[in-house]
Amino acid sequence: DAGITQSPRYKITETGRQVTLMCHQTWSHSYMFWYRQDLGHGLRLIYYSAAADITDKGEVPDGYVVSRSKTENFPLTLESATRSQTSVYFCASGPQGYEQYFGPGTRLTVT
Amino acid sequence: AQSVTQLDSHVSVSEGTPVLLRCNYSSSYSPSLFWYVQHPNKGLQLLLKYTSAATLVKGINGFEAEFKKSETSFHLTKPSAHMSDAAEYFCVVSPYGSNDYKLSFGAGTTVTVRA
Repeated sequence: DAGITQSPRYKITETGRQVTLMCHQTWSHSYMFWYRQDLGHGLRLIYYSAAADITDKGEVPDGYVVSRSKTENFPLTLESATRSQTSVYFCASGPQGYEQYFGPGTRLTVT
Repeated sequence: AQSVTQLDSHVSVSEGTPVLLRCNYSSSYSPSLFWYVQHPNKGLQLLLKYTSAATLVKGINGFEAEFKKSETSFHLTKPSAHMSDAAEYFCVVSPYGSNDYKLSFGAGTTVTVRA
C-alpha cells in the first residue's frame, strides 16, 4: 500500500549503542523530515532532505546522522545513544516542503 | 518569523455537540496552515490544509476550518462530535512560498468527548 512507514515501531537500546531508525515512503515525495516529540517540547525538527543526496539540519541535529541515497528512504542514525534521546520519532514526507505527511512513529527508549 | 497559538489546551464536549478549536497565527510570509490530529500512540494525520485558495477549507471526518486574514485565525470546527474525535489536535503554520521548510506547531489542544 502507498504511504509512509517507520521501523522499528518500538526500540529499547543501551546508552552508547548505535541505533538506526528507518523511514520509507512510496509516494515519491521529494521532501522528507525527521522529528522528535517530547512532552513539554512538542515536535522538533531534527533533519530534513529536499531530494536524494541533499540533507540539512533542523532545530535539534546534535547526536544524529541522516543519509538519503534513494528518494524513498531516509534513515536516522543515533551514533552513540544517550538517555536524552529517549523520545518518539516521527518521519514525514511531502511533495513540497510546506506540506508534510507523517509516519506512525518509533518509540525509542535509551536505558 | 512565524508562530502559532492554540488558545485552548483542553476542550471537553458532549457527543453530538459542536467542537471549536481556536488557533491564531503570525507569519512574515503568506502562510500555509494545517490542522493535524494525533490519536494516542499514533502518528499525526492531516485533517485539512489552507494554501491561499478558498478561505473555508473542508477536511476529513466532517471537520472544517476558516482562514481569516484580518483576525490571523484558523479555527477548526465540527458540527457534531463523535467519540472517535477524542485526540490531540495541532494547528501548524508553514511559510508558503519560502524556502524555509520548518513547520511551526501549536502546543496542541486535547479534546475529550463525553458520552
